[in-house]
Amino acid sequence: KNQVEQSPQSLIILEGKNCTLQCNYTVSPFSNLRWYKQDTGRGPVSLTIMTFSENTKSNGRYTATLDADTKQSSLHITASQLSDSASYICVSFFSGNTPLVFGKGTRLSVIA
Amino acid sequence: ETGVTQTPRHLVMGMTNKKSLKCEQHLGHNAMYWYKQSAKKPLELMFVYNFKEQTENNSVPSRFSPECPNSSHLFLHLHTLQPEDSALYLCASSQRQGAGANVLTFGAGSRLTVL
Repeated sequence: KNQVEQSPQSLIILEGKNCTLQCNYTVSPFSNLRWYKQDTGRGPVSLTIMTFSENTKSNGRYTATLDADTKQSSLHITASQLSDSASYICVSFFSGNTPLVFGKGTRLSVIA
Repeated sequence: ETGVTQTPRHLVMGMTNKKSLKCEQHLGHNAMYWYKQSAKKPLELMFVYNFKEQTENNSVPSRFSPECPNSSHLFLHLHTLQPEDSALYLCASSQRQGAGANVLTFGAGSRLTVL
């Protein structure tokens, strides 16, 4: 069964600290994986996309990694800011007519 | 502003009401989607339209009725809903369904509360 599992479910960190969010996927055949950020009351916005051949990709303070062998991805946030408070959703794309498999998301709260 | 506009942003309705959600995209995309987002659950795909033709109906109850008059507009007509239908309804678009569907652009969503 194609699934995406995210951990932790929620996370609280102090402003300025780093954190790492995890995503495990069982999607076949795998094509790529995307991380979305969803602010409260808004729709998800894409942060980064990882293809099968990519191991690391950065977007400002966000760095995503992908290990295709273990089928794991992580999103590392450096020097967190209050505005990073949001849900982070991992989405996997595979070859199929309805290709997207969504995780439940990790709710991140950054406090002062 | 992402290029996908949803209205209304908030809707409260009784179980006997009839209402509609509207989605409009200004990106020149050819595929449009309705997703349901409930607390602590992954986004659930409801319907997909590709070049105005419905290509996916993910076993959605008939009290939800989609309409896609053209590639830029998508509606979700609601009637005789249940309280468990309360959720955030997200519209999204992509260049086309399938290979291009990984590049989804979402709207801000319509928060629906059914009393």
